[in-house]
Amino acid sequence: GAVVSQHPSWVICKSGTSVKIECRSLDFQATTMFWYRQFPKQSLMLMATSNEGSKATYEQGVEKDKFLINHASLTLSTLTVTSAHPEDSSFYICSASSGTSGGRDTQYFGPGTRLTVL
Amino acid sequence: GQNIDQPTEMTATEGAIVQINCTYQTSGFNGLFWYQQHAGEAPTFLSYNVLDGLEEKGRFSSFLSRSKGYSYLLLKELQMKDSASYLCAVMDSNYQLIWGAGTKLIIKP
Repeated sequence: GAVVSQHPSWVICKSGTSVKIECRSLDFQATTMFWYRQFPKQSLMLMATSNEGSKATYEQGVEKDKFLINHASLTLSTLTVTSAHPEDSSFYICSASSGTSGGRDTQYFGPGTRLTVL
Repeated sequence: GQNIDQPTEMTATEGAIVQINCTYQTSGFNGLFWYQQHAGEAPTFLSYNVLDGLEEKGRFSSFLSRSKGYSYLLLKELQMKDSASYLCAVMDSNYQLIWGAGTKLIIKP
């Protein structure tokens, strides 16, 4: 149980284009989904937290107009990197939690999406 | 401020035992998580401790002392596939996960 999928696994795009990444919880309902970014040999950096049906909460320094997050259902959240630039190249990882433990929920991670912007 | 400290890198021998320590200072505490992350892959959940003591799960055990702000992950009978980074994360009073930088574990034959 607690499987999270992410699509695509990797993507290469030209500078200035937009890229959408999907995150799905396959066997549980995800009340909350999280989006992380990880640069090589660095720790996870939380970008934003989204609850189903409400606006995402962005971490300080993360541009909400550049990284659009939609959590339209209890099993799907999307991250759209708008007008991507080479500095946006990174490993993007989503995680999901069920919200059944009063907030003390384990986050289960998707396999990640490697984005390369040329 | 909030911070999580764990060693940057450790080396151990196949078949041996290794203990990865994690100390933390956070605003509130709602549990401590350990995750394993292989290079180029996303983290996978290993353990969750919210009460003091040792939790054993197969070859992996995790210990917590809330009064000392300290945890460790113990890996027994090391296998080559255990080579990975091990991430310690603490959930604070706002149910936010505070992540350590990870410990890269290198297993040698």
